[in-house]
Amino acid sequence: AQSVTQPDIHITVSEGASLELRCNYSYGATPYLFWYVQSPGQGLQLLLKYFSGDTLVQGIKGFEAEFKRSQSSFNLRKPSVHWSDAAEYFCAVGESPGSARQLTFGSGTQLTVLP
Amino acid sequence: GAVVSQHPSWVICKSGTSVKIECRSLDFQATTMFWYRQFPKQSLMLMATSNEGSKATYEQGVEKDKFLINHASLTLSTLTVTSAHPEDSSFYICSAREPTSGRAATQYFGPGTRLTVL
Repeated sequence: AQSVTQPDIHITVSEGASLELRCNYSYGATPYLFWYVQSPGQGLQLLLKYFSGDTLVQGIKGFEAEFKRSQSSFNLRKPSVHWSDAAEYFCAVGESPGSARQLTFGSGTQLTVLP
Repeated sequence: GAVVSQHPSWVICKSGTSVKIECRSLDFQATTMFWYRQFPKQSLMLMATSNEGSKATYEQGVEKDKFLINHASLTLSTLTVTSAHPEDSSFYICSAREPTSGRAATQYFGPGTRLTVL
């Protein structure tokens, strides 16, 4: 069975500092990987996704993520954090296109941004 | 980008009543929609997969008679919480999967519905 681990429950960074959120996955085949962001009381917004090809993926709001098969990781990065980035971030792994279940979520990482 | 709406955004009801939540894909047709439940400061728990024109597939431990799902059209799925009780209070989120075309599809999420049962 596939699984996703986000080792950091809570991360605090200063505004303008760089950010890296960790995500490790376990899946037997080629994974389809996603990062979503959730603001308080809101649904999830897709930041970026990896299906194949270039292992460095660019997303919205200045985020990027790098797929490293050897480390089973898909870490999310941003060079300079803004106060509006404070939110909950979820990494997810998807099954094959025809699978109905598709997404398994990590437990999430809460990001706090200090002024 | 793909937009998914949910209605209502929040609802308060008395114990024993039923509540219906709607999930709509606004700019694409979704043959598959998903219903999730999220407890405070926790991740999303998949409740069921809603397939247009057929019965929903429920995850283990989810009572299908309590959480009724109907996916009558390619843009609308509904979740009805029947005989709601305080323990059903939660944040319910739906998602719609874009049609696949030989590649993995992306799920787009609705804004969620906060249900409070008194």
